[in-house]
Amino acid sequence: SQQGEEDPQALSIQEGENATMNCSYKTSINNLQWYRQNSGRGLVHLILIRSNEREKHSGRLRVTLDTSKKSSSLLITASRAADTASYFCATLLSGGYQKVTFGTGTKLQVIP
Amino acid sequence: DAGITQSPRHKVTETGTPVTLRCHQTENHRYMYWYRQDPGHGLRLIHYSYGVKDTDKGEVSDGYSVSRSKTEDFLLTLESATSSQTSVYFCAITADQNTEAFFGQGTRLTVV
Repeated sequence: SQQGEEDPQALSIQEGENATMNCSYKTSINNLQWYRQNSGRGLVHLILIRSNEREKHSGRLRVTLDTSKKSSSLLITASRAADTASYFCATLLSGGYQKVTFGTGTKLQVIP
Repeated sequence: DAGITQSPRHKVTETGTPVTLRCHQTENHRYMYWYRQDPGHGLRLIHYSYGVKDTDKGEVSDGYSVSRSKTEDFLLTLESATSSQTSVYFCAITADQNTEAFFGQGTRLTVV
């Protein structure tokens, strides 16, 4: 089974609203990253949070990390139609070599 | 954009034939990854490399092999293609821990 699981699987909101996506993972990590994928395209990196950080901001993005619960959330504020995409969390597992594994993704639709 | 290209971009092949996908980077990054993306599964790690001639298995490595004879190229081979290997394959690169991954444009492989 996969390391990461996003919740919800799909989310539909109106433009201007906030969107929150959650990611849960199973094993200890060094960092957690969020990526966006527009339909049929490659993934684009959004933000990285290290295991010793609790919150990070980048523009309209806010990411939190709770290592005790093995979970993270991505908040997109004041959403725009252009934010319509799939969002994935990825984890760099601690120990061993660099193995980055992805979750199953949240499909976000922002309705104009 | 990071210098990472995948070839071919599209391929249709017959069951039982070997297939090789190529990932080429011009960034001199140490780590390279192959993922497959299927509906409902997100991205799943097939194999990854942490240096020339250094590779390791991911979550779904059965039926796949890889080789990395030089820093810039990471080859994924389907030894005997099956219909279950119909998928979109993505290559990714990272420089080191705590840095973002850059993705190729993807290869759509259909096994008939």
